[in-house]
Amino acid sequence: QQPVQSPQAVILREGEDAVINCSSSKALYSVHWYRQKHGEAPVFLMILLKGGEQKGHEKISASFNEKKQQSSLYLTASQLSYSGTYFCGTEGYSSASKIIFGSGTRLSIRP
Amino acid sequence: GAVVSQHPSRVICKSGTSVKIECRSLDFQATTMFWYRQFPKQSLMLMATSNEGSKATYEQGVEKDKFLINHASLTLSTLTVTSAHPEDSSFYICSARGRGGQETQYFGPGTRLLVL
Repeated sequence: QQPVQSPQAVILREGEDAVINCSSSKALYSVHWYRQKHGEAPVFLMILLKGGEQKGHEKISASFNEKKQQSSLYLTASQLSYSGTYFCGTEGYSSASKIIFGSGTRLSIRP
Repeated sequence: GAVVSQHPSRVICKSGTSVKIECRSLDFQATTMFWYRQFPKQSLMLMATSNEGSKATYEQGVEKDKFLINHASLTLSTLTVTSAHPEDSSFYICSARGRGGQETQYFGPGTRLLVL
């Protein structure tokens, strides 16, 4: 079952923050976050495996809630290079290691 | 991160012909490879899961006789679009996962197929 991502689109000025949410109706084994630039393949950002886990890479971080049904991606002090479409991918306990992707969140950063 | 390559990057073919797309994991052994299709402004839709040495598992609604998948080695999987039609035009992306508990799934650069 496809995870639900919100918002669908965000427009920010450079330096502003954003939060992208990803939720599932079932408990998840893992959540994966990717960013895709137009015309290119998705690029791996991070994976979260444990309930309550938080991970960060420079100014991009993510959390995976205790019940393991929701994850959020945090973009702080956004840069122009952050523009793109962000996808969460979820893996369930019974999904035989396949990742199902959300509908994506289009992020546009203005100077 | 790990490197996954795809070939060709772009292909244009006539309706009715077959097209083969290769996906290779260059620096790790991929026990599992995945094939996705992405239409413009849409998400990645999983087509099938391919395990080395066994038959691929197709997602509901994906015709296994039209999209032939072969995973003959730990570094190579191929997707053949048979008798391609204009509605098969899309961005096809493979991804690979390794053995030994490696959780991350790495994507290839994608193949853009245009069927005339």
